[in-house]
Amino acid sequence: AQSVTQLGSHVSVSEGALVLLRCNYSSSVPPYLFWYVQYPNQGLQLLLKYTTGATLVKGINGFEAEFKKSETSFHLTKPSAHMSDAAEYFCAVSPLYNFNKFYFGSGTKLNVKP
Amino acid sequence: EPEVTQTPSHQVTQMGQEVILRCVPISNHLYFYWYRQILGQKVEFLVSFYNNEISEKSEIFDDQFSVERPDGSNFTLKIRSTKLEDSAMYFCASSGGLAGAGGELFFGEGSRLTVL
Repeated sequence: AQSVTQLGSHVSVSEGALVLLRCNYSSSVPPYLFWYVQYPNQGLQLLLKYTTGATLVKGINGFEAEFKKSETSFHLTKPSAHMSDAAEYFCAVSPLYNFNKFYFGSGTKLNVKP
Repeated sequence: EPEVTQTPSHQVTQMGQEVILRCVPISNHLYFYWYRQILGQKVEFLVSFYNNEISEKSEIFDDQFSVERPDGSNFTLKIRSTKLEDSAMYFCASSGGLAGAGGELFFGEGSRLTVL
């Protein structure tokens, strides 16, 4: 069975600092990988995804993530945090044997301090 | 920009009552989904729907739950007899192709259900 682990339910950074949100998955076959963001009182919005090809993927709002098969990880980074990045971030996987279903991590709330 | 819309945004109901959560997916999308998030827990898959039938459902989606696309635009989730543990945020989502196959899953803003 698939599982997704997001380390740290809350992460706090200063404005301008590096953002690093961690995601690890468990799967014998690397799945397709996604990061979603949820701003307060809004739905989930796709930030970026990895399906095939280049393992470093760039998304919206300056975020990027790198798929590392050897570490079964797909950590999300942004070089310089902005106040508007404060939101909850969800890592999700879609197993290759079933594109119908996403498995989500428990989410990480990002707080950005001025 | 096209979006998925959900109503109501918040519903409070008594245990045992029936609840219908409504969703209007993006108009040219073919795949429809319901997910839920119990407070403080993970977003969980409930059901996927394609070509007017359920294509997959999770173990959570028992006989108390049903989905319907009654009129070609709405996609509804019905809970027949609500339980306290059904209290959660319910998200509707749609995609033009199989979302996990590289397509994008578009989510609504969610419907918060509180069962008293």
